Amino acid sequence: AQSVTQPDIHITVSEGASLELRCNYSYGATPYLFWYVQSPGQGLQLLLKYFSGDTLVQGIKGFEAEFKRSQSSFNLRKPSVHWSDAAEYFCAVVSSGGYQKVTFGTGTKLQVIP
Amino acid sequence: DGGITQSPKYLFRKEGQNVTLSCEQNLNHDAMYWYRQDPGQGLRLIYYSQIVNDFQKGDIAEGYSVSREKKESFPLTVTSAQKNPTAFYLCASSTVDGTNQPQHFGDGTRLSIL
Repeated sequence: AQSVTQPDIHITVSEGASLELRCNYSYGATPYLFWYVQSPGQGLQLLLKYFSGDTLVQGIKGFEAEFKRSQSSFNLRKPSVHWSDAAEYFCAVVSSGGYQKVTFGTGTKLQVIP
Repeated sequence: DGGITQSPKYLFRKEGQNVTLSCEQNLNHDAMYWYRQDPGQGLRLIYYSQIVNDFQKGDIAEGYSVSREKKESFPLTVTSAQKNPTAFYLCASSTVDGTNQPQHFGDGTRLSIL
């Protein structure tokens, strides 16, 4: 069965500092991977996706993620965090083909301090 | 702009009462989904539908019911059998062309018990 682990429940960074949010997945075949962001009381917005090809994926709002098959990881990064990045971030893996079963991680809540 | 509309944003339920959450999409997506979100647990799938007049149970369907009479609409009923309904409910939609494009989400409905 597929699974996603986000080991950090809560992360605090200073504005302007770099950010890395960790995501580890378990899936037998080539995974389809996503990162979503959720502001309080809102739905989820897609930041970026990985299907195949280049292992470094660029997304919206200056985010990027790197797929590392050997480590079963898909970590999200941003070189300089802005106060508006404070939100909860979810990593997700999708089974390939057929019904689109999405498994979400439990989320990482990001706090940005001035 | 195309998107997903969930209503109401806040909903209160009395003991023994059924309540219905609305979800409408104008993205022309065939598949629609309902998730339940609880703090620290990520998103859990309640029901999904890949085509009109057909739907399947997800991981936590007990105490919930759905219908899919129109492509655009996928209402969720929280029945009195659901003993712990307080949560944030998210509706999503996606294509079913086998390319595993990411799901689009509404802004959610927060359900509370009176």
